[in-house]
Amino acid sequence: KAGVTQTPRYLIKTRGQQVTLSCSPISGHRSVSWYQQTPGQGLQFLFEYFSETQRNKGNFPGRFSGRQFSNSRSEMNVSTLELGDSALYLCASSTNRGPYEQYFGPGTRLTVT
Amino acid sequence: GENVEQHPSTLSVQEGDSAVIKCTYSDSASNYFPWYKQELGKRPQLIIDIRSNVGEKKDQRIAVTLNKTAKHFSLHITETQPEDSAVYFCAASDSNYQLIWGAGTKLIIKP
Repeated sequence: KAGVTQTPRYLIKTRGQQVTLSCSPISGHRSVSWYQQTPGQGLQFLFEYFSETQRNKGNFPGRFSGRQFSNSRSEMNVSTLELGDSALYLCASSTNRGPYEQYFGPGTRLTVT
Repeated sequence: GENVEQHPSTLSVQEGDSAVIKCTYSDSASNYFPWYKQELGKRPQLIIDIRSNVGEKKDQRIAVTLNKTAKHFSLHITETQPEDSAVYFCAASDSNYQLIWGAGTKLIIKP
């Protein structure tokens, strides 16, 4: 099976712009979670989608949003980018509602200048 | 809600020695406890997990123990090797099946 894929892998944006990141889960996986990881920091949970519904949400401002499509692919959007949004954004897929092993994608490295 | 604390934040051990990383959780309903390893520049990967109906699980040099009464679980790595150098994350599931993550432990293996 192909692993979790994320596009783009690298992104440079200017403060105030918006960005959309994409995640394709492992075939058959219906749960997709998104995380923000800054240098030396842990995994900060953004949100989780299961069957196109947001089931869990972390403590991030409303500028961070996401959605999931009927084929389980997920996107996250960050509007009005701030310098502090520079981070590695990881998505992870899982077979079911949970709790099960999460398989991580390679991440999207976002740099905000 | 669930809270997971992980200690130590950095652990340096001599190659060949054992390493132990500990995590405590707050939600007694938690029933799934995975450990992930993240090497520099790579994605986190599951190395071992345990469910609440089991007290200990072992996979070669890696073992995880769970004490439900005390609400803590630990990762044990024996005969450490240079390739064990990485950041290790513990997690616990909350009542909504969401994984709550520890802050991570940077394991350094000294030659």
